Amino acid sequence: KQEVTQIPAALSVPEGENLVLNCSFTDSAIYNLQWFRQDPGKGLTSLLLIQSSQREQTSGRLNASLDKSSGRSTLYIAASQPGDSATYLCAVRSGSGNTGKLIFGQGTTLQVKP
Amino acid sequence: DGGITQSPKYLFRKEGQNVTLSCEQNLNHDAMYWYRQDPGQGLRLIYYSQIVNDFQKGDIAEGYSVSREKKESFPLTVTSAQKNPTAFYLCASSSGTKLFFGSGTQLSVL
Repeated sequence: KQEVTQIPAALSVPEGENLVLNCSFTDSAIYNLQWFRQDPGKGLTSLLLIQSSQREQTSGRLNASLDKSSGRSTLYIAASQPGDSATYLCAVRSGSGNTGKLIFGQGTTLQVKP
Repeated sequence: DGGITQSPKYLFRKEGQNVTLSCEQNLNHDAMYWYRQDPGQGLRLIYYSQIVNDFQKGDIAEGYSVSREKKESFPLTVTSAQKNPTAFYLCASSSGTKLFFGSGTQLSVL
């Protein structure tokens, strides 16, 4: 059974710092991995999606990496800003296609202090 | 604007009452999903539908029911059998790889 874990549960950093959020999964047979952002009381917004054949994806100040063999993904945020404060969730899609189940981690709540 | 609309934003349920959460999408997506989110936890799948008139149970379907009579709509009913319904409910849709979410409904018990 696929399990997804995110550590730490919460993180507080000063503005301008580069930071890394971690996501680990127990079954390496994944189809893709997706990182989401969630603001309080809101839905999830997709940030980056990495297919199983890819090693990383970049969007602006965000870079997500994937190491299937070790069951790990990281989300790197460069030059953090107060507007980056939110909860970040990773989700793994198991199986061999888009119909596979999406398993979510518990999320890391990030606070960036001005 | 294309997107997913959930209503209401806040909903209160009395004991023994069934309540229905609305989810509508105009993205022309085939697949739709309902998730439950409890504080400090990840999302758990309640029900999903890959196509109109078909749906499957997720990991925590007990006490919930759904219908998919139209491609655009996937309402979720929280029945009286669900003894701990207080949570944040999220609807999502996808066509391919990415998942798109609505803004959620917070359900509380009176």
